[in-house]
Amino acid sequence: GQNIDQPTEMTATEGAIVQINCTYQTSGFNGLFWYQQHAGEAPTFLSYNVLDGLEEKGRFSSFLSRSKGYSYLLLKELQMKDSASYLCAVLDSNYQLIWGAGTKLIIKP
Amino acid sequence: NAGVTQTPKFQVLKTGQSMTLQCAQDMNHEYMSWYRQDPGMGLRLIHYSVGAGITDQGEVPNGYNVSRSTTEDFPLRLLSAAPSQTSVYFCASSQGGTASGANVLTFGAGSRLTVL
Repeated sequence: GQNIDQPTEMTATEGAIVQINCTYQTSGFNGLFWYQQHAGEAPTFLSYNVLDGLEEKGRFSSFLSRSKGYSYLLLKELQMKDSASYLCAVLDSNYQLIWGAGTKLIIKP
Repeated sequence: NAGVTQTPKFQVLKTGQSMTLQCAQDMNHEYMSWYRQDPGMGLRLIHYSVGAGITDQGEVPNGYNVSRSTTEDFPLRLLSAAPSQTSVYFCASSQGGTASGANVLTFGAGSRLTVL
């Protein structure tokens, strides 16, 4: 079967750095997405990786290793507004999105 | 620019009742989809459409019906509601179809459905 694994919950301190990991086992791979979802709101797009390496976008960076079936989302200079769930999703060989259950990130002052 | 608009935001149904969740987008997106989100699980695809007049089943289609008569609208119908359909439902659209790699989805605000 297809599987996306992410930690259920993480806690970090305002101003610090946090890395949210995502491992996947899917039938084929056509890209990996990260979405942010604040409580009670819709998911919003953060990043897309299809090639190995690091993609940087402001305070957020996303890394992909296709050979290891692994990605991480790196958040720097954490702010209270970063408290949210972070969803990892893989586009499989049929171009269907397979979603992880999400990582709830709690930021403490 | 409204993006993706879903109604209603909240709904309580009794078992056996039917209802329609409305979804409309004003971005001229070809691809539209319905997901359900349950605690501890990833988003699960119910139905999707790659253009007007074309619909297909996702991972969990049973108990749901869709139609796509226009590019803008993609309603989701619950035929006979069951408690297992208690969930948060999201409509999402994207510029490209599923065969385009950077399939960035724009989501509606969600509809919280409770079936008693």
